[in-house]
This record gives sequence, structure tokens and C-alpha cells, in this order.
Amino acid sequence: QKEVEQNSGPLSVPEGAIASLNCTYSDRGSQSFFWYRQYSGKSPELIMSIYSNGDKEDGRFTAQLNKASQYVSLLIRDSQPSDSATYLCAVNPDTGTASKLTFGTGTRLQVTL
Amino acid sequence: DADVTQTPRNRITKTGKRIMLECSQTKGHDRMYWYRQDPGLGLQLIYYSFDVKDINKGEISDGYSVSRQAQAKFSLSLESAIPNQTALYFCATSDPGLAGGTEQFFGPGTRLTVL
Repeated sequence: QKEVEQNSGPLSVPEGAIASLNCTYSDRGSQSFFWYRQYSGKSPELIMSIYSNGDKEDGRFTAQLNKASQYVSLLIRDSQPSDSATYLCAVNPDTGTASKLTFGTGTRLQVTL
Repeated sequence: DADVTQTPRNRITKTGKRIMLECSQTKGHDRMYWYRQDPGLGLQLIYYSFDVKDINKGEISDGYSVSRQAQAKFSLSLESAIPNQTALYFCATSDPGLAGGTEQFFGPGTRLTVL
């Protein structure tokens, strides 16, 4: 079983719609959770971090965390063609000073006109 | 702007050659990381360093070595390159004072091809 799992997609949504991306993780002790956006051939860019259960909103992005169910999700409201990218979920499975991240393989999002 | 840079950006080499990839950062972060990315496999951690005297192996360190020359510089070496080391390589940094060092910031990547 992979430690961090994501559906590879592609997830296709029309412009203006809400895109919902999901991620599950296996280590129940995980404390920190991140979403990175990666355009083709480019480096991952941190777009959201979340550390406690519930929702965290930043502009058009909302991260949702449910530690009991071991999933984290990213909602993108009013999706734009420029949101078309691969979204990587990353989890820090350690507490303290380790700061290592385990990445999912990513979900490719396509926003259609 | 504080940044993470990687050189070279692209490299083609032959099997058996030694190659070094370099990473420099002006973010002032103590922690640095090397990852490789293969299609369908996601990002895999090769080595990480929390300061100049602290080097740690990641998930896939075999065939690689690293050197932390200074707080700002972290180099990755392939001692004898082989074709299955063809991949996209990323350097990343983090600040232990920011979210416990878990928020990582990536360089632009090096595309390495081993023939």
C-alpha cells in the first residue's frame, strides 16, 4: 500500500466549476499536509498547507483535512484554464524535527473552456 | 528575490560517467533536499541535510552521493551514471522555524538523460 495515494486523473472540469482533488494517507500519526501545483516540466510550487482538522481557505483554494478518516482534499473554486496542472499531495509522517515529506504521485487537472 | 537555483538545467551524459548536479539557495534555509521525479512514480527523496555537518540518506540513495559545501550549497553526484538514473532532479529547501521545517521550496529542476 502506498503511503500517500491520489487518483492520477486526468480530472476534467469546465471553466468556472469547482475542482475537487483528494488524497489519502496511511500513517495515522501524520501532522502536516501540503498541496503542491506542478506545471508540466516545471518544479512543484507550494499552494496550501494544513495542520489541523477542518477547512483552510486561501483565495480560490480550500484545503480540507480529516485525520480520523486519513484524507486531505483540495477544492479549487471558479476553475481557470491556468489551473490545469498536476497537483501533488504531500504528508509529513514525522513529528519533531524530521521535516521529511512523502509525496503522492499527483492528480492531473484539466480545466476546459 | 530569495531563490533556489540548480545547475545544469539539462544534461545528457553517457553510462559510466561521473556527474555532479549543483544546488544553491539564497533563502537562508538550513535544510536542503534532493529528489528525483519519474513519470508515474512521484517525487522520491534521495538525500537530505539539516546543516553542513548533517547528511542523511533518503529512500533511494544507492548510486548517489552528496556534499554540503556550505549552508547555501548542496551538490548531488552520480558516481557512475546508468540509464535508469534518467529523471528530473529537484533540490528543495526548508526553514526549521517555519512550520517545523516541513514547508519545502523547490528549485527549477535538472533534466538528466543517461545514454
